Amino acid sequence: GAVVSQHPSRVICKSGTSVKIECRSLDFQATTMFWYRQFPKKSLMLMATSNEGSKATYEQGVEKDKFLINHASLTLSTLTVTSAHPEDSSFYICSVSEQGSLAYGYTFGSGTRLTVV
Amino acid sequence: AQKVTQAQTEISVVEKEDVTLDCVYETRDTTYYLFWYKQPPSGELVFLIRRNSFDEQNEISGRYSWNFQKSTSSFNFTITASQVVDSAVYFCALSRMDSSYKLIFGSGTRLLVRP
Repeated sequence: GAVVSQHPSRVICKSGTSVKIECRSLDFQATTMFWYRQFPKKSLMLMATSNEGSKATYEQGVEKDKFLINHASLTLSTLTVTSAHPEDSSFYICSVSEQGSLAYGYTFGSGTRLTVV
Repeated sequence: AQKVTQAQTEISVVEKEDVTLDCVYETRDTTYYLFWYKQPPSGELVFLIRRNSFDEQNEISGRYSWNFQKSTSSFNFTITASQVVDSAVYFCALSRMDSSYKLIFGSGTRLLVRP
């Protein structure tokens, strides 16, 4: 399957600042990437579908202006948490969907643990 | 609507015991994919298996086996002779075969294998 690199793995930021998380598909041209959020001991909640060259599709209840997604190339999608607050502290994971591939599946990044203080 | 239910929140077994993790799904689609992922304490998601809805053959991979029953909308996962390293959270997930390809996760089952 695809190899997905996600950075940073951990970040601590001050309340009110913005944080950018990168998700790179190293060996697969990903037209679609997904961003998930996971609270402690909870399941993964899909936040948005990132589409290369177009606007992301957000799930109901996810603030577009708070969680900015950019998918400018087939190998990179970024999630920016703007004006972060302590309630944004969470584990964020990106995923690449290998649509059209015989090895179709989803490969996940290693995740980013965001702590807002 | 699509939904994945993992009724077992936590399971604790002693090493070498067999354990089955249940997964029940709901979908109106006639074709779909089912997945199992493992999430160890480090947090990354490890792919275990993908099953197409039109392939009901059970699968075995080493100590892991999966039982897909379309009639009961279940896709259960069994670990034989469990080991401490199997301790993790296991997620069952469902994906449509359409342009969205969104992956819908169950709530996960936390497995603790004690020595």
